[in-house]
Amino acid sequence: GDSVTQMEGPVTLSEEAFLTINCTYTATGYPSLFWYVQYPGEGLQLLLKATKADDKGSNKGFEATYRKETTSFHLEKGSVQVSDSAVYFCALSPINYNQGGKLIFGQGTELSVKP
Amino acid sequence: DAGVTQSPTHLIKTRGQQVTLRCSPKSGHDTVSWYQQALGQGPQFIFQYYEEEERQRGNFPDRFSGHQFPNYSSELNVNALLLGDSALYLCASSRGGGMNTEAFFGQGTRLTVV
Repeated sequence: GDSVTQMEGPVTLSEEAFLTINCTYTATGYPSLFWYVQYPGEGLQLLLKATKADDKGSNKGFEATYRKETTSFHLEKGSVQVSDSAVYFCALSPINYNQGGKLIFGQGTELSVKP
Repeated sequence: DAGVTQSPTHLIKTRGQQVTLRCSPKSGHDTVSWYQQALGQGPQFIFQYYEEEERQRGNFPDRFSGHQFPNYSSELNVNALLLGDSALYLCASSRGGGMNTEAFFGQGTRLTVV
């Protein structure tokens, strides 16, 4: 079945460091891909998304490119801030209409940014 | 716009009991999905309701059931609670069955089974 694999955390960085969180997926066809962020004590918030191959999603300085050839959707940010400390989830939504809207999540990667 | 609201925020139940969790979707949304998030894990899809019917279901036992009301709000019921049911339960709402639309999540209900 469809699945998402993320790099394990926690990831600890200094402020202004470069961030990469790896995400790979297994799915039939061309699923939609997402990054969600979960701040402490809160629900999930959509960070960015891409719906077709080679699309780049971007938001708040974060970006990720849908790579069909490597089945990857790695999250990057050029300069992290303390306020970026959170848990990041990579997810996919299957293309099949009967499964549409269902999100399949990776296990999450905790990011801690130190001043 | 109040967004997706869930109640209660926390509750503690005893093994074997039954629990009902509630979700009100974001204004304009007609589709509700439920997820279980165990500590340190990603959310796992339980089921989705659209037009008051269960449209699709994840790999969860029949102890997990739900309902959607005409106003699109939804309930998640769990019978015969097990210790392993302790988790954060998230509700997400979207439009038109969820295809190609953004899902908005509530803050969740933290269930502890003792």
